[in-house]
Amino acid sequence: DAGITQSPRHKVTETGTPVTLRCHQTENHRYMYWYRQDPGHGLRLIHYSYGVKDTDKGEVSDGYSVSRSKTEDFLLTLESATSSQTSVYFCAIQGDFNGYTFGSGTRLTVV
Amino acid sequence: SQQGEEDPQALSIQEGENATMNCSYKTSINNLQWYRQNSGRGLVHLILIRSNEREKHSGRLRVTLDTSKKSSSLLITASRAADTASYFCATDSRGSQGNLIFGKGTKLSVKP
Repeated sequence: DAGITQSPRHKVTETGTPVTLRCHQTENHRYMYWYRQDPGHGLRLIHYSYGVKDTDKGEVSDGYSVSRSKTEDFLLTLESATSSQTSVYFCAIQGDFNGYTFGSGTRLTVV
Repeated sequence: SQQGEEDPQALSIQEGENATMNCSYKTSINNLQWYRQNSGRGLVHLILIRSNEREKHSGRLRVTLDTSKKSSSLLITASRAADTASYFCATDSRGSQGNLIFGKGTKLSVKP
């Protein structure tokens, strides 16, 4: 959607390798989020950020780290990818109306 | 842990019929939101209802909120094939710093 982009859209990686997913916004919003979506679990919050260099853990943060050095970019890193991290990852920003705007997602497969 | 739980998990109806989805949650909320997700796409915000509101409309959508029962419903009237999607409720709970917690969703199929 306009204002928020995720890259890459698809990625296949090997177990044990580090992976970084990028979320970029052009809306200058303070709050950004990373969720993962899995069948039977819905969306679960991994990490979120409430400003540059201000981040905090969500419900399923183990094995993930994040960084936010600029307002517009929020990076999600899998330090050492495992098969359990195969998922669809969504980034979101919180708009002025308190709702979220989501990116199109990154489909990550760990083999 | 999930805050919102949608019911039913799946719903199949004919075009022109109404579709009703329910959401139950556990803790006090600031607001409750509904989102739609088409297959392979990101979630799209539909409507937000605040804890002091009981009903809200947006086009063919009608949302109700009963805080005493900790439940909400989403009604889509005169459904169309294009309404086929998954629908999620999400709660902004008090003390959650604005983070939304999503349910597992209701998969709606509207047959032409």
